[in-house]
Amino acid sequence: QKEVEQDPGPLSVPEGAIVSLNCTYSNSAFQYFMWYRQYSRKGPELLMYTYSSGNKEDGRFTAQVDKSSKYISLFIRDSQPSDSATYLCAMRPIQGAQKLVFGQGTRLTINP
Amino acid sequence: ETGVTQTPRHLVMGMTNKKSLKCEQHLGHNAMYWYKQSAKKPLELMFVYNFKEQTENNSVPSRFSPECPNSSHLFLHLHTLQPEDSALYLCASSQGQGGPNSPLHFGNGTRLTVT
Repeated sequence: QKEVEQDPGPLSVPEGAIVSLNCTYSNSAFQYFMWYRQYSRKGPELLMYTYSSGNKEDGRFTAQVDKSSKYISLFIRDSQPSDSATYLCAMRPIQGAQKLVFGQGTRLTINP
Repeated sequence: ETGVTQTPRHLVMGMTNKKSLKCEQHLGHNAMYWYKQSAKKPLELMFVYNFKEQTENNSVPSRFSPECPNSSHLFLHLHTLQPEDSALYLCASSQGQGGPNSPLHFGNGTRLTVT
């Protein structure tokens, strides 16, 4: 079983839609949860992070962590064509880790 | 220049060639990383350097040889590669352990094709 599972998509939605991206994981030691965004021909960049369980909001983006279900989500409201990218979840334990574990990434296209 | 710069952007090499990938970071970070990104697979950590010392080798075949002469520069020397080594090779840097308060900063990668 992979430590982190993420549906690779592709996912295509119309502009203005609410997008939900998800990852599941198996390692209960994970405490930091991150979302990276990767545009075509670019490297990933950190979009949001959360620590342990709960929600975090930043503009049109909301990150949710449900540790009891080992499930994390990224919601994008009022999606824009500029949100078209690959979204990678990443996570790690508190201690000892320069070893972020990444999901496969979900390729998202927002259609005007 | 700012950020993390990788050269070349694209590289095509035969299985018997020797080539090197270069990474330079202008962020003053103390840790540098090599990752491999293959289609439909998660990012794979290859090597980690902290203050020029290698602290992680994630069971990478010896045909990949990293070098970190100082905290700002990182190389990946390649020799006798296999076609399955074709991928996007990403360099990253961080201040500290790469957690939320010291996130990874990635370069734009070198697209490697082994023929």
